[in-house]
Amino acid sequence: DADVTQTPRNRITKTGKRIMLECSQTKGHDRMYWYRQDPGLGLRLIYYSFDVKDINKGEISDGYSVSRQAQAKFSLSLESAIPNQTALYFCAAGTGTNYGYTFGSGTRLTVV
Amino acid sequence: SQQGEEDPQALSIQEGENATMNCSYKTSINNLQWYRQNSGRGLVHLILIRSNEREKHSGRLRVTLDTSKKSSSLLITASRAADTASYFCATDAKGAQKLVFGQGTRLTINP
Repeated sequence: DADVTQTPRNRITKTGKRIMLECSQTKGHDRMYWYRQDPGLGLRLIYYSFDVKDINKGEISDGYSVSRQAQAKFSLSLESAIPNQTALYFCAAGTGTNYGYTFGSGTRLTVV
Repeated sequence: SQQGEEDPQALSIQEGENATMNCSYKTSINNLQWYRQNSGRGLVHLILIRSNEREKHSGRLRVTLDTSKKSSSLLITASRAADTASYFCATDAKGAQKLVFGQGTRLTINP
């Protein structure tokens, strides 16, 4: 099994729908992150969490929310999806920035 | 806003040649990391260099860091077709407690 697992791998949804992307990790890391990748823009941080009770906004949190249900689980929700949220979404886990992150395989989200 | 900017945006070389990618950043950092991404897949951590280090090696990878110029370079020696991927630098700015990624360099190795 992968260290960081994201579900679903691909999703097509309609404008205005609520959608949840899920992430789980088996590494036992305290810190988890959600990034969004758009062509030519690299990865941008949406939200990050240092533990179950510590949630922080990243640079592009508007239109998104997160839930850290347990140390191993960190989900990302789009409350009302819009087409410009079409992107590749990555979850990552780590023990801190002094070490590398472990990334999931990504969720390709299309909002039509 | 992106902390790291990479240059070039795209690089195409012949198998066996060396590939050099550069990353510039804006603020003081604790460390700088390089990641590889195969098409549409998750990023894989390659190497981390701390702010008090100037050079680091891992297999065919060589990373340099010049904190006075706020820049880093990744050298891949004796490139292989399997090195075809996008490469990203990520910086851990002092006090930030999170990584900020550059836009990436798309490397193509031609057989």
